[in-house]
Amino acid sequence: DARVTQTPRHKVTEMGQEVTMRCQPILGHNTVFWYRQTMMQGLELLAYFRNRAPLDDSGMPKDRFSAEMPDATLATLKIQPSEPRDSAVYFCASGDGTYQETQYFGPGTRLLVL
Amino acid sequence: AQRVTQPEKLLSVFKGAPVELKCNYSYSGSPELFWYVQYSRQRLQLLLRHISRESIKGFTADLNKGETSFHLKKPFAQEEDSAMYYCALYNTDKLIFGTGTRLQVFP
Repeated sequence: DARVTQTPRHKVTEMGQEVTMRCQPILGHNTVFWYRQTMMQGLELLAYFRNRAPLDDSGMPKDRFSAEMPDATLATLKIQPSEPRDSAVYFCASGDGTYQETQYFGPGTRLLVL
Repeated sequence: AQRVTQPEKLLSVFKGAPVELKCNYSYSGSPELFWYVQYSRQRLQLLLRHISRESIKGFTADLNKGETSFHLKKPFAQEEDSAMYYCALYNTDKLIFGTGTRLQVFP
């Protein structure tokens, strides 16, 4: 049963530290999405890639967030420097790139910035 | 601007009662809408999409363009329906999600 994996599952860090979250999409999927989930805002799209190319990262604070796909099996989301307001659950999802593709979500990374 | 609104953060019902989770959207074109669900300790997953006109786990959702709504309904709620439900609008390769509604079904 193919699944999206994310590491780490939990991260506690201090303000100012760098945080890197990783995602392995389902093999064969060519679209990867990064979301942030908070109680107030719900699910916000941060960025997404197709065939490893970034298509939209307008949801991401550019000064501190960056997203990359070094290869087809790995997507990364980095926060540097982290701030307490970044505390949230970060989800990765992948899709097969077809019209109205179903998005398959990972388990999420729960981030707490102190 | 494209937007999805779920006005209720929490909806509590008793088992066997009807359920309606509200979703309203704002979209200039012909909307394509979805419901995703996250059960406790499970991943967010697709529940249904309006284009399929299907019923999944007893849930249905009808697109009402006049009222710009896509409410999720079930005639008789079950305890296992307790979960977080997100309405989503498809827009140029991506989904715009609402803020979600937590459904609690009491025995």
